[in-house]
Amino acid sequence: EVQVVESGGGLVQPGGSLRLSCAASGFTFSDYWMSWVRQAPGKGLEWVAIIKQDGSEKYYVDSVKGRFTISRDNAKNSLFLQMNSLRAEDTAVYYCARGPTGPPLRFTPFDYWGQGTLVTVSS
Amino acid sequence: DIQMTQSPSSLSASVGDRVTITCRASQGIRNDLGWYQQKPGKAPKRLIYAASSLQSGVPSRFSGSGSGSEFTLTISSLQPEDFATYYCLQHNSYPLTFGGGTKVEIK
Repeated sequence: EVQVVESGGGLVQPGGSLRLSCAASGFTFSDYWMSWVRQAPGKGLEWVAIIKQDGSEKYYVDSVKGRFTISRDNAKNSLFLQMNSLRAEDTAVYYCARGPTGPPLRFTPFDYWGQGTLVTVSS
Repeated sequence: DIQMTQSPSSLSASVGDRVTITCRASQGIRNDLGWYQQKPGKAPKRLIYAASSLQSGVPSRFSGSGSGSEFTLTISSLQPEDFATYYCLQHNSYPLTFGGGTKVEIK
């Protein structure tokens, strides 16, 4: 059974940092692009970042560029999101979602999602 | 960036009704579109990929159509478990962008 489980969320002050993790199981992690998608309280979905199988390509939404870094460890079947210089507007549930095996601009991503981890940025 | 405009933002319908949700892209995106269902407090679930292909395990009352800049998600006969919020996603270019969502409520 495919599973992705997020962890690492919590309360952080503005300007602070947090590292999210996503543990994957039930599929060959290294075969898939992987991504983070977030949802602010009461709002819609927003794509955050995506990473290629070998980590050689990474893409971000403009609002997090230079502050967030997506990475992965294929040996540990894990995806990460390092979040620095956090702002109140980064408050959201962060979902780990599986991408396709081929290029996401050709193949519809996000066939499996985790349950999310809540990040709250507040003083 | 490609903007995805969903309509309506909400609708009320009865069990058994036919429901149609529309997503318009600010530029042509071929068929690079997916549809997702989200229930309160739960993760989204993919229903449709490549604009019209039904995800495995999803009931056949769900269907997607369209290409270019206009897309529709149709639920042929609304069931109680279908009351949820629905989102479209374009994956034609970065940044990937979701529509604003359509909340389907019980009439």
